[in-house]
Amino acid sequence: GQNIDQPTEMTATEGAIVQINCTYQTSGFNGLFWYQQHAGEAPTFLSYNVLDGLEEKGRFSSFLSRSKGYSYLLLKELQMKDSASYLCAVMDSNYQLIWGAGTKLIIKP
Amino acid sequence: NAGVTQTPKFQVLKTGQSMTLQCAQDMNHEYMSWYRQDPGMGLRLIHYSVGAGITDQGEVPNGYNVSRSTTEDFPLRLLSAAPSQTSVYFCASSLTDSSSGANVLTFGAGSRLTVL
Repeated sequence: GQNIDQPTEMTATEGAIVQINCTYQTSGFNGLFWYQQHAGEAPTFLSYNVLDGLEEKGRFSSFLSRSKGYSYLLLKELQMKDSASYLCAVMDSNYQLIWGAGTKLIIKP
Repeated sequence: NAGVTQTPKFQVLKTGQSMTLQCAQDMNHEYMSWYRQDPGMGLRLIHYSVGAGITDQGEVPNGYNVSRSTTEDFPLRLLSAAPSQTSVYFCASSLTDSSSGANVLTFGAGSRLTVL
């Protein structure tokens, strides 16, 4: 079966750095996505990785290792507004997205 | 440019009732889809469409129907509501980028459905 694993919840301090991990086992691989979802709102796109390595976008970076079935989302200089759930999703060989359950990130002052 | 518009935002149904969740997008996106989101689970695909006149089943299609008569609209019909269909429903659309394979979804605000 296809599976995406992420920690259920993480806590971090304002101004600090946090790394949210995602491991996957899917039928084929056509890219990995990270989305942010604030409570009661819709998911919004953060990043896309299809090749191994690090993609940087301002305070957010995403890393992919296809051989290990592993990705992480790195958030730097945390702000209170970063409190949200972070969803990892993998596009399989049929170009369908398989979603993780999401990691709820709590930022404390 | 409104993006993806879903209605209603909230709905309470009794078991056995039917209803339609509306979804419209003004971005000329080919791909549209419906997901449900339940606590502790990832988003699950109900139905999707790659263009007007074309629909297909996702992971959890039972109890739901869709149609795609225009590029803009993709309504989701619940035929006979059951308590197991209590969930938050999201409509999403995207452009398929054939060169990168990237399929970045734009989501509607969501519809919270409760079936009693």
